[in-house]
Amino acid sequence: EDKVVQSPLSLVVHEGDTVTLNCSYEVTNFRSLLWYKQEKKAPTFLFMLTSSGIEKKSGRLSSILDKKELFSILNITATQTGDSAIYLCALNAGNNRKLIWGLGTSLAVNP
Amino acid sequence: DAGVTQSPTHLIKTRGQQVTLRCSPKSGHDTVSWYQQALGQGPQFIFQYYEEEERQRGNFPDRFSGHQFPNYSSELNVNALLLGDSALYLCASSRTSGGWNSDEQFFGPGTRLTVL
Repeated sequence: EDKVVQSPLSLVVHEGDTVTLNCSYEVTNFRSLLWYKQEKKAPTFLFMLTSSGIEKKSGRLSSILDKKELFSILNITATQTGDSAIYLCALNAGNNRKLIWGLGTSLAVNP
Repeated sequence: DAGVTQSPTHLIKTRGQQVTLRCSPKSGHDTVSWYQQALGQGPQFIFQYYEEEERQRGNFPDRFSGHQFPNYSSELNVNALLLGDSALYLCASSRTSGGWNSDEQFFGPGTRLTVL
C-alpha cells in the first residue's frame, strides 16, 4: 500500500533557527513528490520533485529527493515567525488520479 | 485570474441533514479533486471529477457524492451527516492534458463544516 510518513509531527523553534522536515514514502509507481505549506486554510504549493539529487530552492526554502532511500527533506533556513504553518508532503503514485498525503509537520517559530 | 473558489466558507448542520459544497476551479483547469481534512490531519482524498464524471474515488461511503458541470465547477454532496463529517473540505483544481493529470494541484480556501 502506498503511504507517506512525515516527521516530526510537531516542531517548535526560535526565529533564526534552521529546520529540516522529513518525508518518507512507500510507493509502487513513483511519479512525483510535492511539498505544500498550509497556514489557515488552503495548502499552497511549494515544490514538486521528480528526480533524485536535484535541489529545488525558493528563497530560504529548499528541498531534495532521494529516490533510492525513498525520502525527501524540506529545509528552511533563518526561520521567521511567518514560517509557522503545517508543512504537508504529498505523493503522486503514478496512478494519475489522486495525491497521497502525509499527516504534516506542524512548525511553530517563536520570536 | 481568479484562483480556486469555494462556497460557503463556513457551515453548521445537524446530524442527519444533507449538505452541498461548491467549487469553481482555477481558470484553464478542467479537473477537480475533493479532500476532507480533519483537525490535525493531512487531507484525505474523496474523489476526482473530469469531463463531468467521477474518475477515481477514495475510501469514503456512498453518502459522499459529487457532480461536475460543463463549466468545470463541481459540487460535493454529503447525505445523512454524522458528527464525524465535521472537517475542512478542500477543493483542488488541476489540468488534464493528453489523458494525464498534472501533478500540481491548486487549492481553494476550503469550507469548514461543523455537524452538531
